[in-house]
Amino acid sequence: DIQMTQSPSSLSASVGDRVTITCRTSQSINNFLNWYQEKPGKAPKLLIYGASNLQSGVPSRFSGSGSGTDFTLTITSLEPEDFATYYCQQTYSTPPNTFGQGTKLEIK
Amino acid sequence: QVQLVQSGAEVKKPGASVKVSCKASGYIFSSFDINWVRQATGQGLEWMGWMNPNSGNTGYAQKFQGRVTMTRNTSISTAYMELSSLRSEDTAVYYCTRRGNRGYGEFDNWGQGTLVTVSS
Repeated sequence: DIQMTQSPSSLSASVGDRVTITCRTSQSINNFLNWYQEKPGKAPKLLIYGASNLQSGVPSRFSGSGSGTDFTLTITSLEPEDFATYYCQQTYSTPPNTFGQGTKLEIK
Repeated sequence: QVQLVQSGAEVKKPGASVKVSCKASGYIFSSFDINWVRQATGQGLEWMGWMNPNSGNTGYAQKFQGRVTMTRNTSISTAYMELSSLRSEDTAVYYCTRRGNRGYGEFDNWGQGTLVTVSS
């Protein structure tokens, strides 16, 4: 199975900051990497698919990049509603569809 | 709009089974795979398996092989996930999700989640 390493596990930031979350895979997955946002008591929401494609309706301050084994999710100019937990997911080699461990983004 | 509406919360005793339903609307049910993902309290997302509603073909995570069964009723656009031999570690929120058609296996729509509590 492909192993996912997501970092950091938690992150404190302020409204207006730029933040970057990293996801590394144990072998190349081309660009079969998706990002999700999860808020307490709510289902996860797709943000980015195929490493860099913005899901419809997602604000443009979210962006994704990377290919192979190293990927990043960047949020420019944090808004209050962005404080949540973020997960990466690889869909290159399935089953299983593996998720990263999650990054909790908290208000500083 | 696409909607996945799941059945309500369940409380089960260890050793019992639970069957969670997921009713789809707003799209052609048979055209998109349904996946199931669970999340224990305070933990991350764990993929359980997938089902093709058209063929009924399924694929399960090795961890759940022999305990999980995914089925569907196409006449009512509903998918089901049944988990047997429940233990306390199966206490979690269970989500059905739709795998999108952008070619990257993305889960583009999610149900609201069903809390399954396993307790004696």
